[in-house]
Amino acid sequence: QITLKESGPTLVKPTQTLTLTCTFSGFSLSPSGVGVGWIRQPPGKALEWLGNIFWENDQRYNSALKSRLRITRDTEKQVVLRLTNVDPADTATYFCAHFPALDYWGQGILVTVS
Amino acid sequence: QSVLTQPPSVSAAPGRKVTISCSGSDSNIGNNYVSWYQQFPGTAPKLLIYDNNKRPSGIPDRFSGSKSGTSATLGITGLQTGDEADYYCGTWDSSLIGVVFGGGTKLTVL
Repeated sequence: QITLKESGPTLVKPTQTLTLTCTFSGFSLSPSGVGVGWIRQPPGKALEWLGNIFWENDQRYNSALKSRLRITRDTEKQVVLRLTNVDPADTATYFCAHFPALDYWGQGILVTVS
Repeated sequence: QSVLTQPPSVSAAPGRKVTISCSGSDSNIGNNYVSWYQQFPGTAPKLLIYDNNKRPSGIPDRFSGSKSGTSATLGITGLQTGDEADYYCGTWDSSLIGVVFGGGTKLTVL
């Protein structure tokens, strides 16, 4: 059974770095194309793909956030998202999901930048 | 502004059928598989349709998907009040080299 869960701070100050962890089970990051994706959703707005990781050095990023975003593998079952220099516009619910199928999602974590 | 275009809202009576459109371009829908997601307030999106028209285990056959050219459509028959939710289309964009989503469609079952 595949599960994912996001954890981290729910309040971050402007200009700080947001660090979120996705803890998952039921699958492993694989060079053959199984990974973890991050998606966010500002309140009342649409989904926005942030990026994904398949293996140690195989990541893809949303070009609009590429200069501020890093997704890394922390342990065998944890992936970390780091978003630098946050702004109130980064206030959103952040989801991690089984990638690329996006068939299993975490419950999401609402992060407020204020 | 989302890369994929969906109507902001659709509505229909219980028991009726509704369709939700998703319009894109050659770099996304035109050359990649489309997925559809259902999202209730305060919850994570749930995969309804993948690979244009396939349903994951547990998704009723009231939900269907189709694709033609650079557009995709989600169909829901036998509407129930429990179907009231936001629906999103999504696909890979070969030019942007990333996943793109539609702006979402709010379904109201009158």
